[in-house]
Amino acid sequence: AQKVTQAQTEISVVEKEDVTLDCVYETRDTTYYLFWYKQPPSGELVFLIRRNSFDEQNEISGRYSWNFQKSTSSFNFTITASQVVDSAVYFCALSEGAAGNKLTFGGGTRVLVKP
Amino acid sequence: DAGVTQSPTHLIKTRGQQVTLRCSPKSGHDTVSWYQQALGQGPQFIFQYYEEEERQRGNFPDRFSGHQFPNYSSELNVNALLLGDSALYLCASSYVQGTDTQYFGPGTRLTVL
Repeated sequence: AQKVTQAQTEISVVEKEDVTLDCVYETRDTTYYLFWYKQPPSGELVFLIRRNSFDEQNEISGRYSWNFQKSTSSFNFTITASQVVDSAVYFCALSEGAAGNKLTFGGGTRVLVKP
Repeated sequence: DAGVTQSPTHLIKTRGQQVTLRCSPKSGHDTVSWYQQALGQGPQFIFQYYEEEERQRGNFPDRFSGHQFPNYSSELNVNALLLGDSALYLCASSYVQGTDTQYFGPGTRLTVL
């Protein structure tokens, strides 16, 4: 069965500091997809990034970057130079087989960025 | 390009009642999924609809049922409401027969008294 664990429940930083969110996943499938979503106080889940199991290349997109390591089943996410608007709950999620299949979410990490 | 829309925004019901939540997918999307998010937790998958049929289902009782219409919009029905059904209900849509990333709507907050 698939499982996603986010060990950090809450992180508090001062604006302009970097924030790294940890995510560990479990799956028996060889084809799977990993996602990060952001949930601001309004409640809507906003898609941030997606990687598939065949592409371990780590990338940077603006202030976001991610570190995907199959050897440790981890998919960590970093926000560089955090801003107050980054304050939200961040969820890591996993789908098996196809990107559109059911998502299994972690418990979420609340990020509070103080001015 | 309109995103995923859901109605109503908030809803208050009493135990034993029935509720219907509605979702319109993003333009061009053909697959709709529903999730339940209890306070302080991650979303839990309820089921997914494609071509008006239920494709996948999570670990939810039969009190939870759904429907997809020819225009790809969807409804989630919950019968015999329990206090534990109080949650944020999120709808997500995707395209290419559900093989692409799921995009979420703003959710419907259901309170059961």
